[in-house]
Amino acid sequence: SQTIHQWPATLVQPVGSPLSLECTVEGTSNPNLYWYRQAAGRGLQLLFYSVGIGQISSEVPQNLSASRPQDRQFILSSKKLLLSDSGFYLCAWRLGYEQFFGPGTRLTVL
Amino acid sequence: SQQGEEDPQALSIQEGENATMNCSYKTSINNLQWYRQNSGRGLVHLILIRSNEREKHSGRLRVTLDTSKKSSSLLITASRAADTASYFCATENSGGGADGLTFGKGTHLIIQP
Repeated sequence: SQTIHQWPATLVQPVGSPLSLECTVEGTSNPNLYWYRQAAGRGLQLLFYSVGIGQISSEVPQNLSASRPQDRQFILSSKKLLLSDSGFYLCAWRLGYEQFFGPGTRLTVL
Repeated sequence: SQQGEEDPQALSIQEGENATMNCSYKTSINNLQWYRQNSGRGLVHLILIRSNEREKHSGRLRVTLDTSKKSSSLLITASRAADTASYFCATENSGGGADGLTFGKGTHLIIQP
């Protein structure tokens, strides 16, 4: 069966520090992968999606970047975090119409 | 951008009662999905209704879709304390492609034991 992992689960970082969040998927090949952000009490905002290695599409201009170095690995990064980057980051992969989400990373930028 | 808008934002009912949540959207869609999120966790897919369907059932869940009004409702019958969670509608627009879903802001449902 397919599983999706995210780490770390929680992260507290100072403003201006770099960020690297990792997402990996098991049990499937060539998945479509997605990064979403959820601000407190809000819905999900799509940040990036990828249909294959090295292929990244961005939905919104932002302080973040994404990379897909391997088929089942999706990384979310920032060179310098802003306070507004705080939130709950969710990785997802797609099978048909349905998306399957990882457990998320709660990022607090102080 | 956020397309779906759930209504109400928060709902508190007694265990055993039915819970109804509504969702409105703006553009043409291929399908509409409902997801559930327990506090601080990832989302779990509940049910999908296609644009050519009007009603769908899954266990205690009933979803309706009115494409003329661009709205959907999720009914949870005989609610249980374990149903306490946030519920989101999500749409995939008719443009298709690999891009992600557009989520609403969610309805926070509390079931009082």
